[in-house]
Amino acid sequence: DAKTTQPNSMESNEEEPVHLPCNHSTISGTDYIHWYRQLPSQGPEYVIHGLTSNVNNRMASLAIAEDRKSSTLILHRATLRDAAVYYCIPLYNFNKFYFGSGTKLNVKP
Amino acid sequence: EAQVTQNPRYLITVTGKKLTVTCSQNMNHEYMSWYRQDPGLGLRQIYYSMNVEVTDKGDVPEGYKVSRKEKRNFPLILESPSPNQTSLYFCASSLSIQGGTEAFFGQGTRLTVV
Repeated sequence: DAKTTQPNSMESNEEEPVHLPCNHSTISGTDYIHWYRQLPSQGPEYVIHGLTSNVNNRMASLAIAEDRKSSTLILHRATLRDAAVYYCIPLYNFNKFYFGSGTKLNVKP
Repeated sequence: EAQVTQNPRYLITVTGKKLTVTCSQNMNHEYMSWYRQDPGLGLRQIYYSMNVEVTDKGDVPEGYKVSRKEKRNFPLILESPSPNQTSLYFCASSLSIQGGTEAFFGQGTRLTVV
């Protein structure tokens, strides 16, 4: 199983972009890169996923390094509602769906 | 609205009293699973189901049972709860087991066994 390294915490100002990094140097060629977030007292929430190419959706963008050993989740304009723990998860199938300790994002008004 | 619904959200029970936590999804997903979340240990998979009548153990199945009689429902059963099963539980579903799809999680059930 691929190991991930994420900063324990990051801080952002409201309405500014946030770049959340993740290192997954041992990722397998068949692993997708998933990002989930968890708000206090709530279930994890899907954010985005990709395999090789960069991906955009209504919530965020995912930039994947060419060698796939790292990725960056980009929140284009952080809001207070984006304060959460963000998990980067290399994933082949959901029987190996492991959440690490993630990055706690604090958004300042 | 696509969702996974767990009930109850909060439960306090006594040791040995059988309980069931229900989970239902409205997306016709094949894959469903149960997790427990404990401080410092992250999410750990308890059981999973790849389709109706197909279930298997995850990483921490001891003390739990599941069933999948209908595609939408995947209840978690604690036949004889013990205090070490005090935890936050999440049910999740996805279209399939493959990592190319997204997972949907329920809101969680906070269980306390005294």
